[in-house]
Amino acid sequence: AQSVTQPDIHITVSEGASLELRCNYSYGATPYLFWYVQSPGQGLQLLLKYFSGDTLVQGIKGFEAEFKRSQSSFNLRKPSVHWSDAAEYFCAVVPLQTGANNLFFGTGTRLTVIP
Amino acid sequence: KAGVTQTPRYLIKTRGQQVTLSCSPISGHRSVSWYQQTPGQGLQFLFEYFSETQRNKGNFPGRFSGRQFSNSRSEMNVSTLELGDSALYLCASSLGLAGITDTQYFGPGTRLTVL
Repeated sequence: AQSVTQPDIHITVSEGASLELRCNYSYGATPYLFWYVQSPGQGLQLLLKYFSGDTLVQGIKGFEAEFKRSQSSFNLRKPSVHWSDAAEYFCAVVPLQTGANNLFFGTGTRLTVIP
Repeated sequence: KAGVTQTPRYLIKTRGQQVTLSCSPISGHRSVSWYQQTPGQGLQFLFEYFSETQRNKGNFPGRFSGRQFSNSRSEMNVSTLELGDSALYLCASSLGLAGITDTQYFGPGTRLTVL
C-alpha cells in the first residue's frame, strides 16, 4: 500500500545538538516530497520541498533534507537545534501522475528540545 | 503578501448542528484545499477547489461539503455534526496550475469542538 512513514513519534534532543528526523515513503514512482512544521495551536509551515534535481535540499530555519532514492527516504536534518525548534514535524508527499495536488502526510514526529 | 486566513479560529457546536468555516487564500492563488487534523487519524485531505469547481475529493462522508467563490475564497460546511468531527480544520492555498503540483501554504486552522 502507498504510505508515508515517520518511524519516530517523539524525539528529545539537547539544545545545540544535531537532529535527524526520518521519513520513508512507499510509492511506485518517487513522489514530490515535503517537510512541514507545526507549532502548538498553529497551522503548518513549509520547511522545504523536493521535486527533482539536487538531492540535498536547503530549507528555512537552517533545515536541510536529503532525498535517497535507494532507501525511499527523505530525512530532515539540522546541525544545531534551537529551543524554538520544538514543534511537530510532518513529512508529506504528492504522488506523481495522479492528476491530484493533495498532500498525504506521515503521522508526525514531535520534537522536544531540552536546555 | 498576506497569508492564508481562516475564520473563525475556534468554534464550539453541539451534535446535530451544522457549521461553516471560511478560508481566504493568498492573493493570486486560485486553488484551495481543506484538511482535517485529529489525534487519531492525523492529517487527512478533504477536498480541493479550483476556479469554483471541486477538483479532487478525499474519503469523507457527504456531510462534508465545500464551495469556492469567484474571488477564490472558500467555505466548507459540515452538517449533522458528530462528536468525531471535533478537529483542527486546515485550509491551504496554492497557485493552482493545472496538471502541475505546486506548493501549498497553510492557514492557522479552525479548531472545531463538538459537544
